[in-house]
Amino acid sequence: SQQGEEDPQALSIQEGENATMNCSYKTSINNLQWYRQNSGRGLVHLILIRSNEREKHSGRLRVTLDTSKKSSSLLITASRAADTASYFCATMYSSASKIIFGSGTRLSIRP
Amino acid sequence: NAGVTQTPKFQVLKTGQSMTLQCAQDMNHEYMSWYRQDPGMGLRLIHYSVGAGITDQGEVPNGYNVSRSTTEDFPLRLLSAAPSQTSVYFCASGKAGMNTEAFFGQGTRLTVV
Repeated sequence: SQQGEEDPQALSIQEGENATMNCSYKTSINNLQWYRQNSGRGLVHLILIRSNEREKHSGRLRVTLDTSKKSSSLLITASRAADTASYFCATMYSSASKIIFGSGTRLSIRP
Repeated sequence: NAGVTQTPKFQVLKTGQSMTLQCAQDMNHEYMSWYRQDPGMGLRLIHYSVGAGITDQGEVPNGYNVSRSTTEDFPLRLLSAAPSQTSVYFCASGKAGMNTEAFFGQGTRLTVV
């Protein structure tokens, strides 16, 4: 089974609202990453948080990591129509140099 | 900058045919990987490589072969295509190390009939 599982599977919010997506994983990791995918295109890297970090910011993105709960959240503030996409968390195992993806959250921003 | 280039973009195969999906990167990345994405789902890792001459299996390796003879290229071979291999295939690359971010190609949409 996949390393990361995301919640919710789909999220629809009004433009200007904040969007929060959660990711849980199963084993020890080196880092956790978030990616965005627009309409079946290739994924674009958004942000990486290391296992010894608890919070990281990049523009309107805020990521938290709780290694004791094996979970992470991605917050997008002041959402825009262009944020409509699928968002995936991905983890790199401590034991191997490979990146495993979660199932994703489909985010829709209503005008 | 080319980044990660996948060819072809679209392919239709008949059951039992073989083919190779090409992936090339020009960023001198050590790490390369192949994923498949089925409709409405996340990406599943097929095979990956941490350098020329080194490959390893991912989550769903059966029915696929890879080799890494150069740093730039990481082809994915389907030995005998099956309808269950209908999917979108993504190649990704990244720098070596424990904090690698992946750079993706635009994908190959494969249909097996």
